Amino acid sequence: EVQLVESGGGLVQPGGSLRLSCAASGFTFSTYSMNWVRQAPGKGLEWVSYISSSGNIRYYADSVMGRFTISRDDARNSLYLHMDSLRAADTAVYYCAREQYSSSWDFDYWGQGTLVTVSS
Amino acid sequence: SSELTQDPAVSVALGQTVRITCQGDSLRNYYASWYQQKPGQAPVLVIYGKNKRPSGIPDRFSGSSSGNTDSLTITGAQAEDEADYYCNSRETSGHPVIFGGGTKLTVL
Repeated sequence: EVQLVESGGGLVQPGGSLRLSCAASGFTFSTYSMNWVRQAPGKGLEWVSYISSSGNIRYYADSVMGRFTISRDDARNSLYLHMDSLRAADTAVYYCAREQYSSSWDFDYWGQGTLVTVSS
Repeated sequence: SSELTQDPAVSVALGQTVRITCQGDSLRNYYASWYQQKPGQAPVLVIYGKNKRPSGIPDRFSGSSSGNTDSLTITGAQAEDEADYYCNSRETSGHPVIFGGGTKLTVL
């Protein structure tokens, strides 16, 4: 059974940093591209970042470019999102999501999400 | 970058058919995928590649495409279909992928 389990969310002050993790199981993690998608309270889904299966290609939404870094550790079957210079607008539930096929840009499995709250 | 536009809310009587639309320039080149999200839960992929359903998705869910508009149709809506529905697609410029704003479906 495919499982994605996020962790690392919490309350952080504006300007602070946080690292989110996503533990994958039930599939060959190293062969899939992965994404982070967030959802602000009461709002819609917003794609945040992408990393290819090889780890060589990374994309970011304009809203997080230069502040967030996506990475992966295939030995640990884990995906990460390092977030710096956090703002109130970054408050959201953060989901990790698996890309179904290479370059398909549809997400067939999602984690349950981890809540990040940026507030003083 | 372009956008995907969805109606904020749609309602349907129990057992009737409802269509939820997603409009955007990127859909002239790429098909939308559709996600169902119930309160407090993660999104679930229900349609991809114009009209393909992942395993476990009921066949009352179907997709279609015409010009710059893709649609999700639920034929014989059930109470459990009440949820938010989001489309997404590849982007033709800027970001590699975008989401629509979502449609809240109410089953009456």
